Amino acid sequence: GDSVTQMEGPVTLSEEAFLTINCTYTATGYPSLFWYVQYPGEGLQLLLKATKADDKGSNKGFEATYRKETTSFHLEKGSVQVSDSAVYFCALRAKTSYDKVIFGPGTSLSVIP
Amino acid sequence: DAEITQSPRHKITETGRQVTLACHQTWNHNNMFWYRQDLGHGLRLIHYSYGVHDTNKGEVSDGYSVSRSNTEDLPLTLESAASSQTSVYFCASSESGEPEAFFGQGTRLTVV
Repeated sequence: GDSVTQMEGPVTLSEEAFLTINCTYTATGYPSLFWYVQYPGEGLQLLLKATKADDKGSNKGFEATYRKETTSFHLEKGSVQVSDSAVYFCALRAKTSYDKVIFGPGTSLSVIP
Repeated sequence: DAEITQSPRHKITETGRQVTLACHQTWNHNNMFWYRQDLGHGLRLIHYSYGVHDTNKGEVSDGYSVSRSNTEDLPLTLESAASSQTSVYFCASSESGEPEAFFGQGTRLTVV
């Protein structure tokens, strides 16, 4: 079945460091891909999305590119801030999984001053 | 603005009691989902619905039930609460053909 794998962390970075969180997926066809973010004590917010191969999603300085050839959707940010401390979830949604959103396990990020 | 709301936000209940968590969305979405979030497991799908009177089991459906009597609401019922059901529960909705799913703020349930 469809699935998402991502590095689980926790990841600890210093402010202004470069961030990469790896995400790979398994799905037939062409799923839509997402990164959701959960700040402490809050619900899930959509951070960015991509709906077809080679699309780049971007928001708040974060970027991810839909790579069909490597079935990946890695999240990157050039310079993280303390306010980026959160849990990040990679997810997919596909017709083959009947429009359900399937999540990776989440990656906890802590950014220290 | 359209939204999805969950209630209550926090609930403490005793083992064996029946508990119902509410989820209400105003987007008029056909698809609605319930997830639970636990450390080390991410979000796991409990039940989902593609429309009125349609319900389906997810990967962790044992001990839970849902009913869909209208488009806006998908209440989640724990028939006999167990300590293993202590978790944070998220409701979501989406529309077929549109990629994005919208999530509620979550309900933190503690079973003692």
